[in-house]
Amino acid sequence: EAGVTQFPSHSVIEKGQTVTLRCDPISGHDNLYWYRRVMGKEIKFLLHFVKESKQDESGMPNNRFLAERTGGTYSTLKVQPAELEDSGVYFCASSPQTTADTQYFGPGTRLTVL
Amino acid sequence: AQSVTQLGSHVSVSEGALVLLRCNYSSSVPPYLFWYVQYPNQGLQLLLKYTTGATLVKGINGFEAEFKKSETSFHLTKPSAHMSDAAEYFCALTGTSYDKVIFGPGTSLSVIP
Repeated sequence: EAGVTQFPSHSVIEKGQTVTLRCDPISGHDNLYWYRRVMGKEIKFLLHFVKESKQDESGMPNNRFLAERTGGTYSTLKVQPAELEDSGVYFCASSPQTTADTQYFGPGTRLTVL
Repeated sequence: AQSVTQLGSHVSVSEGALVLLRCNYSSSVPPYLFWYVQYPNQGLQLLLKYTTGATLVKGINGFEAEFKKSETSFHLTKPSAHMSDAAEYFCALTGTSYDKVIFGPGTSLSVIP
């Protein structure tokens, strides 16, 4: 069974540009989560999808961040325009409805904003 | 509010020595507790988890952790460190099955030959 995949693995952009991160959850997992770790800080929750619906987006830092999950499959996280403080590692995780107590994480996307 | 603290941002042990990584938590509801590991250039991998039942939990690669409610602790141990254990370890909790994961700050483990 394939795990959670994320693309790209690394992204380097300049301040003011737009970046889109993609996450493909484990097949059949209805729950999809985004987290991020900025330099030297803890991994923090951003938002939670159940299928295509946003269940909890309390962790989204501001309106420069837009997450979508079309058709309840893969998800994208767009940052527009990117700021220096957006640099960090963005993790995606997924879990099934039946055994939702464990989230399975992807390898992360390292975003660097110059 | 829920929170997780990990004592020691960096821990060094000799190969073959006991590994002890400390984790304490605060939660207003009975928590689900986890240890995740991140090896260099890799993603987060689940080591072990406690949900209900037996308080001593065994995980992969010889690691185990004990849930102690009276001490609000969930320390991670391994009897004998191996070079391949060098990684960053995260203690984490959720309040319910579907809840967001609250992570501790992480402990970087170095294993000295």
